[in-house]
Amino acid sequence: AQTVTQSQPEMSVQEAETVTLSCTYDTSESNYYLFWYKQPPSRQMILVIRQEAYKQQNATENRFSVNFQKAAKSFSLKISDSQLGDTAMYFCAFMKGQGGSEKLVFGKGTKLTVNP
Amino acid sequence: DGGITQSPKYLFRKEGQNVTLSCEQNLNHDAMYWYRQDPGQGLRLIYYSQIVNDFQKGDIAEGYSVSREKKESFPLTVTSAQKNPTAFYLCASSIDLRTGGNTGELFFGEGSRLTVL
Repeated sequence: AQTVTQSQPEMSVQEAETVTLSCTYDTSESNYYLFWYKQPPSRQMILVIRQEAYKQQNATENRFSVNFQKAAKSFSLKISDSQLGDTAMYFCAFMKGQGGSEKLVFGKGTKLTVNP
Repeated sequence: DGGITQSPKYLFRKEGQNVTLSCEQNLNHDAMYWYRQDPGQGLRLIYYSQIVNDFQKGDIAEGYSVSREKKESFPLTVTSAQKNPTAFYLCASSIDLRTGGNTGELFFGEGSRLTVL
């Protein structure tokens, strides 16, 4: 069974600074997807960024980028130029890429607070 | 606007009562999911459905039931058999990878908070 571990329950960062959230996962699959989801205090979860395991290039979405280390099974999220609106719970998630059940396995989350 | 609608947003239940949470989507997605969220536990999968009239148990299905009679709707019933039902429940949908969608992205509703008194 796949597991996803987020070792930082809470983090804080000053506005405009950079912060990195950690995620490690355990799987024997070779084809899979990794995700970072954001859950703001309003509660609606949204996708931040997505990475296919077969792609060596790290995914980026504006101020959000990942450091995907396949051999180490690590998938960290870097937020540059942090903004107050980045305050949220962040969940790392894993999904097998062979179709089938499409179940996502989530980590326990990291609560990020951006301070003014 | 396309999206997922969960209702009610807040629900109170007495012990021993069943309660049904509604989830409707107009995204034309094949797959729908129910997750339970507890503080410090992340999201845990209760049930999921990839097609109408079919659904599978997730990791914590005991004490819950679902139906999928229409593509747009995936209601969750929290039964009296669920020993600790107080939680935040999230419904989600996605394009089934098997039918051509390739993002794997889940779209979530705003959630329903159930409190057992």
